[in-house]
Amino acid sequence: AQSVTQPDIHITVSEGASLELRCNYSYGATPYLFWYVQSPGQGLQLLLKYFSGDTLVQGIKGFEAEFKRSQSSFNLRKPSVHWSDAAEYFCAVGARTGFQKLVFGTGTRLLVSP
Amino acid sequence: GAGVSQSPRYKVAKRGQDVALRCDPISGHVSLFWYQQALGQGPEFLTYFQNEAQLDKSGLPSDRFFAERPEGSVSTLKIQRTQQEDSAVYLCASSRQDGMPPNEQFFGPGTRLTVL
Repeated sequence: AQSVTQPDIHITVSEGASLELRCNYSYGATPYLFWYVQSPGQGLQLLLKYFSGDTLVQGIKGFEAEFKRSQSSFNLRKPSVHWSDAAEYFCAVGARTGFQKLVFGTGTRLLVSP
Repeated sequence: GAGVSQSPRYKVAKRGQDVALRCDPISGHVSLFWYQQALGQGPEFLTYFQNEAQLDKSGLPSDRFFAERPEGSVSTLKIQRTQQEDSAVYLCASSRQDGMPPNEQFFGPGTRLTVL
């Protein structure tokens, strides 16, 4: 069965510091990979996605993620965090066949300290 | 509208009551998904529609859960005889069409259901 693991429940980062959120997946083949952000009272917003090709993908708000097939990982990074980045971040996978039912991880809550 | 809307945003129900949650997808979006997000968890898939056809309902937790999209636009998720374990945020998402690679799913703000 597909599963997504986000090992960090909470992460606190100082404003201006770099960020890396971890994501590992278990899947029979390389799935489609996504990162979403959820702010309080807001819907999930897509940050970036990996389908194929270059394993380093760029997203919105200065985020990037790197797909590493050998590690079944898709970690999210940002070089300099802003206070407005404080939110919940979800990694998700989708199958390469059929319709796009997404399987989400449990999320990582990012706190940004001044 | 500009995005996916859901109503009500908050619903409090007494155990045993029936509830109906509405989703208005982005106009013209073919695909519609319902997810359930329990407190402290990621969203979990409930059901999927392509236009008015419900193509997958494998995630519905029990036969108390029922979803419909009769005209291929607005969708309603109905929960009969609500139980405390049904308390969660119910998220609706829509996308333009099926295909590979997939189109982005746009999520609504969710309906927070609390069952007392």
